[in-house]
Amino acid sequence: GENVEQHPSTLSVQEGDSAVIKCTYSDSASNYFPWYKQELGKGPQLIIDIRSNVGEKKDQRIAVTLNKTAKHFSLHITETQPEDSAVYFCAAHKGNTGNQFYFGTGTSLTVIP
Amino acid sequence: ETGVTQSPTHLIKTRGQQVTLRCSSQSGHNTVSWYQQALGQGPQFIFQYYREEENGRGNFPPRFSGLQFPNYSSELNVNALELDDSALYLCASSPSTGRGPGANVLTFGAGSRLTVL
Repeated sequence: GENVEQHPSTLSVQEGDSAVIKCTYSDSASNYFPWYKQELGKGPQLIIDIRSNVGEKKDQRIAVTLNKTAKHFSLHITETQPEDSAVYFCAAHKGNTGNQFYFGTGTSLTVIP
Repeated sequence: ETGVTQSPTHLIKTRGQQVTLRCSSQSGHNTVSWYQQALGQGPQFIFQYYREEENGRGNFPPRFSGLQFPNYSSELNVNALELDDSALYLCASSPSTGRGPGANVLTFGAGSRLTVL
């Protein structure tokens, strides 16, 4: 099966600084990589995703990069704000497996005002 | 457009009991998946339902079972509860299981927090 590793497990940044979270995956057949934000008491919310035919995707302050050769992908948050504080999860998925996603163990991001 | 709703939000059971968790999928979504999220961990895939049948399962024993109804809502049943079953159970719906840009994009509910004593 797939194995997704995520680093760091905790991350503290000053408001306005950038935050980077990295994930690696093991199965080269994985081709869809979403990122989720989970706030306390809530379910994960999709914030950005990338498919294997794209190397980078950006949505305002959030960007994701994918290196298929190295089997790793990263989440970049610029100009962080206190409301960015949450747990972030990466996930990997391969086609024809329905909705079976493999999640990383999460990164708890704290943005210090 | 309503999101994914789950009930109950919290419940406490004792070892050996049975539990049923419920989920209403987002409007327009016909596929429901269930995930178990232990404290401090990422969600783990339990199974998926499409057209009222289970059509994908993760590494969970048969005492984890489910149903999907004609309105696409779903239930997760867990028999013979064990202490390690204590977790947040997440339901996620998606437009379909097929290909295309919208397929496999999950919308999660807030979860049901199960504590087994």
